[in-house]
Amino acid sequence: NAGVTQTPKFRILKIGQSMTLQCTQDMNHNYMYWYRQDPGMGLKLIYYSVGAGITDKGEVPNGYNVSRSTTEDFPLRLELAAPSQTSVYFCASSFGTSGAGETQYFGPGTRLLVL
Amino acid sequence: GESVGLHLPTLSVQEGDNSIINCAYSNSASDYFIWYKQESGKGPQFIIDIRSNMDKRQGQRVTVLLNKTVKHLSLQIAATQPGDSAVYFCASMGGGGSNYKLTFGKGTLLTVNP
Repeated sequence: NAGVTQTPKFRILKIGQSMTLQCTQDMNHNYMYWYRQDPGMGLKLIYYSVGAGITDKGEVPNGYNVSRSTTEDFPLRLELAAPSQTSVYFCASSFGTSGAGETQYFGPGTRLLVL
Repeated sequence: GESVGLHLPTLSVQEGDNSIINCAYSNSASDYFIWYKQESGKGPQFIIDIRSNMDKRQGQRVTVLLNKTVKHLSLQIAATQPGDSAVYFCASMGGGGSNYKLTFGKGTLLTVNP
């Protein structure tokens, strides 16, 4: 299993541009998450999904959109990039059940710079 | 609101010594805790977890201790190696209808000196 994969690894955007961060998992996990990590800080939850067709806001959803059309994919969309969205973005997934299924597994991250 | 914080932002140890990384959490309803290791340029990697009905759990060279009375958990790494150098995050889950959302602390940078 490849686990959680993310593309691209790095991207530079101009203010106002849009882009989609891709995330795919091959572990048949029900739950998927998007986090952002600012320098020297912990991770903050942007959006999460408990299954295909179901998404919900996390702690910092403004400026982002998500969709979950399949179990495997959970893309994150930035419509109008702003400098405040410069960050490292991590996608994660979990089974979502109690016990060991709660453990979230993370992708390698996408580093985004908005100028 | 819920927060998970760390007592020390950096920790420097000698190779072979034991390391202890501390973490405080604020939500007494949290019932699941995870320690993650994050190496430079990589995503967080699961190390060990513990549920609130336990006060200690051991893995390979790592031990997590949970003190619910003072809302504190710690990660102990035995015989620390240079490969252990990374940022370590504690995260909590559960309570207050948070479903499966994790709340992360800021992280502690562990540096292992050869």
